[in-house]
Amino acid sequence: GESVGLHLPTLSVQEGDNSIINCAYSNSASDYFIWYKQESGKGPQFIIDIRSNMDKRQGQRVTVLLNKTVKHLSLQIAATQPGDSAVYFCADHTGFQKLVFGTGTRLLVSP
Amino acid sequence: EAGVVQSPRYKIIEKKQPVAFWCNPISGHNTLYWYRQNLGQGPELLIRYENEEAVDDSQLPKDRFSAERLKGVDSTLKIQPAELGDSAVYLCASSFGGQTGGYTFGSGTRLTVV
Repeated sequence: GESVGLHLPTLSVQEGDNSIINCAYSNSASDYFIWYKQESGKGPQFIIDIRSNMDKRQGQRVTVLLNKTVKHLSLQIAATQPGDSAVYFCADHTGFQKLVFGTGTRLLVSP
Repeated sequence: EAGVVQSPRYKIIEKKQPVAFWCNPISGHNTLYWYRQNLGQGPELLIRYENEEAVDDSQLPKDRFSAERLKGVDSTLKIQPAELGDSAVYLCASSFGGQTGGYTFGSGTRLTVV
């Protein structure tokens, strides 16, 4: 079946460090992924997306890397700030019909 | 723009009681989704509407859950009767058809069944 999973449930970093959140997927036909940020008491918020015809995509302080060979993607956050503390999900949005979310990684940023 | 509006934000009910959640999507968004998010997990799709038609309700427990989207705008999700295992956050999201960028989510309704 289709699944999207994350390697680590919690990631603790110091303010100013770079953070890397990993995600594995199982469906080799998946071709579109989205990273979401979810703060406490709020719904998931779009961060960045990537299509399978790309290996890398950059946004403001965030970079997503996609390795289709090993079915793995990662979210890199540069100069992590306390406001980045949240749960991060990767989601498969192949075909735009529905989002399939992974379990999530909690990012804790300490000053 | 107000975004996706959900109410209530919190609801505590006793098991076997009915409960309803309401969602107002972003104006002009024809596609509406209800997701359920259990503690520590990612959201899971319950039902997807294209305008007023439910086009994917395969994950909706139809023995106790029902949903409607009258006039293709607002939507309600109902549980009757509620069970302890229904405790979760119920998220509504909307989009303009199939599109890149995913959906816009509301803040959700946190349901506690006691």
